[in-house]
Amino acid sequence: GQNIDQPTEMTATEGAIVQINCTYQTSGFNGLFWYQQHAGEAPTFLSYNVLDGLEEKGRFSSFLSRSKGYSYLLLKELQMKDSASYLCAVMESNYQLIWGAGTKLIIKP
Amino acid sequence: NAGVTQTPKFRVLKTGQSMTLLCAQDMNHEYMYWYRQDPGMGLRLIHYSVGEGTTAKGEVPDGYNVSRLKKQNFLLGLESAAPSQTSVYFCASAETETSTDTQYFGPGTRLTVL
Repeated sequence: GQNIDQPTEMTATEGAIVQINCTYQTSGFNGLFWYQQHAGEAPTFLSYNVLDGLEEKGRFSSFLSRSKGYSYLLLKELQMKDSASYLCAVMESNYQLIWGAGTKLIIKP
Repeated sequence: NAGVTQTPKFRVLKTGQSMTLLCAQDMNHEYMYWYRQDPGMGLRLIHYSVGEGTTAKGEVPDGYNVSRLKKQNFLLGLESAAPSQTSVYFCASAETETSTDTQYFGPGTRLTVL
């Protein structure tokens, strides 16, 4: 069956580094996406991985291991504005996205 | 460019009432999607469209209907609302269905069914 797991909530300190993990079991694989969603707002695209390895984009990096069904989002130099939910989504063979429930990240000063 | 817009932003319905949610995009995207987002659950696909005049069922289509008469608009209808349809509804669009094209989301419609 289809399943995407990520922690419900994480807390980190401003200026620190945090890693948000995502594990998945899906029917086929056409890539993994990370989206950011601030409370009461729409999800916005952060990153996309289709090959194994690390993709770096400024303070954010995303890693993928297809053999392990595992990805993580790494946020460096945390800022208060990074307080949000982070959604992991896998694109299946039919090009539809299967979404995790999201990880709420709380940043403390 | 307004991107993806949704109307209304908020709505309260009584059980059995009907309503239509409107999604509009000005990016000339072929693909449009309707999702619902509930606490503790991931976004779930209700219906989607791969182009003007086409619609298809997603993961949770029951109780909803859709229409895509114009390329820029995607309408979601609830014929007889039920409390289980209380949710936040997001519309999204994408240029193509391929994995290289991200989905762009509207601001959401918060619907409460009493």
